Amino acid sequence: EAQVTQNPRYLITVTGKKLTVTCSQNMNHEYMSWYRQDPGLGLRQIYYSMNVEVTDKGDVPEGYKVSRKEKRNFPLILESPSPNQTSLYFCASTPLRGARSPLHFGNGTRLTVT
Amino acid sequence: AQSVTQLGSHVSVSEGALVLLRCNYSSSVPPYLFWYVQYPNQGLQLLLKYTSAATLVKGINGFEAEFKKSETSFHLTKPSAHMSDAAEYFCAVSGTDTGNQFYFGTGTSLTVIP
Repeated sequence: EAQVTQNPRYLITVTGKKLTVTCSQNMNHEYMSWYRQDPGLGLRQIYYSMNVEVTDKGDVPEGYKVSRKEKRNFPLILESPSPNQTSLYFCASTPLRGARSPLHFGNGTRLTVT
Repeated sequence: AQSVTQLGSHVSVSEGALVLLRCNYSSSVPPYLFWYVQYPNQGLQLLLKYTSAATLVKGINGFEAEFKKSETSFHLTKPSAHMSDAAEYFCAVSGTDTGNQFYFGTGTSLTVIP
């Protein structure tokens, strides 16, 4: 089944403790992206990647890191999480066809930082 | 800069009534437009998309949307609401104006009253 898989689904951590949220897609998509969803703000892009070893900042990159060493994987890293990073996170992917193709989303990771 | 505006963060309709969710975009060139639905505790699922073919687009679950260039709108409609339509709906835009990035509206929460 074609899908984007995120893990974990739920994560509670404390301020400053490094964490990684994994994202994997099995559709051979070039483009992958991370979003955070907050009430009243919709989805805001954190980072995106056009292909392996190519990553770029989205609208809200502060406090986050990403890497794209393989085409299928695009982990999101929080080196020193803070409470304002408590949010619902989504990974998404799409073929790189001039953005005509829709994004395929994972089921989300709900992060709580205390 | 590209932007998407969804008027009405909360919409309530009676079961069987018309559903109308509004989306306006700003773009100097024709964009690609998408509607996504998010059910509780799930990721975003594509409802329909406009990619410069027919201006009236039909999607899943009886939804449709009409691209109106003169009004820069892409409103989502469904003739008769079902209880199962209760969800969060997001309008999104992409295209050359956005550097092929996707931008999302802030979402509209649809409540269906029995």
